[in-house]
Amino acid sequence: EVQLVQSGAEVKKPGESLRISCKGSGYSFSSYWITWVRQMPGKGLEWMGRIDPSDSYINYSPSFQGHVTISADKSISTAYVQWSSLKASDTAMYYCARAFGSRYGMDVWGQGTTVTVSS
Amino acid sequence: DIVMTQTPLSLSVTPGQPASISCKSSQSLLHSDGKTYLFWYLQKPGQSPQLLIYEVSSRFSGVPDRFSGIGSGTDFTLKISRVEAEDVGVYYCMQGIHLPSTFGGGTKVEIK
Repeated sequence: EVQLVQSGAEVKKPGESLRISCKGSGYSFSSYWITWVRQMPGKGLEWMGRIDPSDSYINYSPSFQGHVTISADKSISTAYVQWSSLKASDTAMYYCARAFGSRYGMDVWGQGTTVTVSS
Repeated sequence: DIVMTQTPLSLSVTPGQPASISCKSSQSLLHSDGKTYLFWYLQKPGQSPQLLIYEVSSRFSGVPDRFSGIGSGTDFTLKISRVEAEDVGVYYCMQGIHLPSTFGGGTKVEIK
């Protein structure tokens, strides 16, 4: 079974750093791009960026470029999003999802990681 | 960025009745490879989004045949032939032709 399992909920203070993860299993992790999507409380879905785990080539949405860093370690089938200095506005649910070959479409999604940033 | 506009914002449906959601894109989603990259997702309460339809009209694995998608160019529709209780949630369309991919604002479907 194809699965993406994300790291657990995080509660951080403004200015702190954070890295959340997404581990793939049940398929060849290097063969499929991983996409990250943000969902702010009570809001819709926003595409953040995507990474090719085979060579770590990344596309960022202009809205997120410079605010987050996407990375991957294909040796452990895991993708990451990290923040160097969190803001309250980063409070959201973050999903990873696998791009399945229909251009930029995603099929399998992780369960989501809740990030809460509050002083 | 391509703007995706969904209507209506919400829908209240009697079980067994049909439902329809519209999605319009600000640019054509027809690629030079002949495919149209429009996707439909359903986010059930408290869950991650799940893929229903890809490339306008292809049902993803395991999706009931009461779900169907039609459309071309910039105008698309998701149809549910007979709504069931398990279909409640927020439906999103997404364009996957140009980066960044963009989602519609969502349509909340509830049962009467």
